[in-house]
Amino acid sequence: EPEVTQTPSHQVTQMGQEVILRCVPISNHLYFYWYRQILGQKVEFLVSFYNNEISEKSEIFDDQFSVERPDGSNFTLKIRSTKLEDSAMYFCASKAGGETQYFGPGTRLLVL
Amino acid sequence: KNQVEQSPQSLIILEGKNCTLQCNYTVSPFSNLRWYKQDTGRGPVSLTIMTFSENTKSNGRYTATLDADTKQSSLHITASQLSDSASYICVVSQNSGGYQKVTFGTGTKLQVIP
Repeated sequence: EPEVTQTPSHQVTQMGQEVILRCVPISNHLYFYWYRQILGQKVEFLVSFYNNEISEKSEIFDDQFSVERPDGSNFTLKIRSTKLEDSAMYFCASKAGGETQYFGPGTRLLVL
Repeated sequence: KNQVEQSPQSLIILEGKNCTLQCNYTVSPFSNLRWYKQDTGRGPVSLTIMTFSENTKSNGRYTATLDADTKQSSLHITASQLSDSASYICVVSQNSGGYQKVTFGTGTKLQVIP
């Protein structure tokens, strides 16, 4: 069964460094999402992406964040200058035209 | 403000027993409600999805109900197994021109013990 994949599974970075989190959505899906989950807290929506542009973003998704679909298969989340509070699990999700979003396994980001 | 509240926050039950998890929401306009199971350190996995017109939906030992008038949903787990230990998250969606804005609940952490 096709699934969403994410790399890396874990990343440790220094505060102020740039990180790029990668996702490969399910191949025929059209809508893409990034979420984050701070340890012990609920999942939070970051951004949705459709037709090569951001369709919606939350207040969390400030100028430090950007998304890109560079080659038609990957979907990336870039954090330009990481802060301690960016430490979280980041989930990518994708969906076709229907209702169900399929989540990836997540990337655990730790900012020191 | 769109909110999704779940109760209880955590629950411990004996293997083989049934349990019911609750979800109340204030999201509007409502599109659909989904229950997800999230194992520790993993991404959420969809269990059921219900639209406005559906009152109940089953997926194996999981049965979800929806009362769109009172904006309440429940997830009933029958004959629990140790592998049911996870967080169960209620997620309510609004359609924004097809882009599906979602609000996640706080989750119920279920532990099934032998």
